[in-house]
Amino acid sequence: QSVLTQPPSASGTPGQRVTISCSGSSSNIGINNVNWYQQLPGTAPKLLIYTNNQRPSGVPDRFSGSKSGTSASLAISGLQSEDESDYYCAAWDDSLNGPVFGGGTKLTVL
Amino acid sequence: QVQLVQSGAEVKKPGASVKVSCKASGYTFTDYAIQWVRQAPGQRLEWMGWINTGNGNTKYSEKVQGRVTITRDTSASTAYMELSSLRSEDTAMFYCARGGQQWLPDYWGQGTLVTVSS
Repeated sequence: QSVLTQPPSASGTPGQRVTISCSGSSSNIGINNVNWYQQLPGTAPKLLIYTNNQRPSGVPDRFSGSKSGTSASLAISGLQSEDESDYYCAAWDDSLNGPVFGGGTKLTVL
Repeated sequence: QVQLVQSGAEVKKPGASVKVSCKASGYTFTDYAIQWVRQAPGQRLEWMGWINTGNGNTKYSEKVQGRVTITRDTSASTAYMELSSLRSEDTAMFYCARGGQQWLPDYWGQGTLVTVSS
């Protein structure tokens, strides 16, 4: 099963800007859009970014997304303690005819 | 507001089956697909399958193909995921999610913990 590749961990201090990468292939990110999800401990994932760079209503503009080729990135500026969470990327995979997910990145706010 | 409410936690013995429900509200049920995703303890999100709630068509991942069946009851705005021949490695939190843009999950259910243990 195709999967997307994320770094297992990331960290930053309050106020800093951090980025999380997501690497895919020509059958997923290369030709389809990317979503990002935030998953707080013990809760369901929550949509953070959709269609590469769009924020749902209620998501602070500190969160932004981008895509280039077969990779995507999530950036969080003005880092806050409540941003400490797991973050997942996802994209539709045309070979699978289903979504594929990254392995998740655990963000620690130091 | 869009809500997906799942059935409660289950404990099953190896070899048994489990059926999890997902009741949708706040939107037209047949306008969006339902995705089923599971997450084993400490593991990544893993897609299991989807159902086109409009026509009932389904697609399953190769990993669970043959053991999973996804159905829907449009009159009740509810989708179901049944997993059979359970084994210990099926212990996971199971989520349903609405398929939004490009059918990627946008709204998620609260999750149903399925524990497989003898």
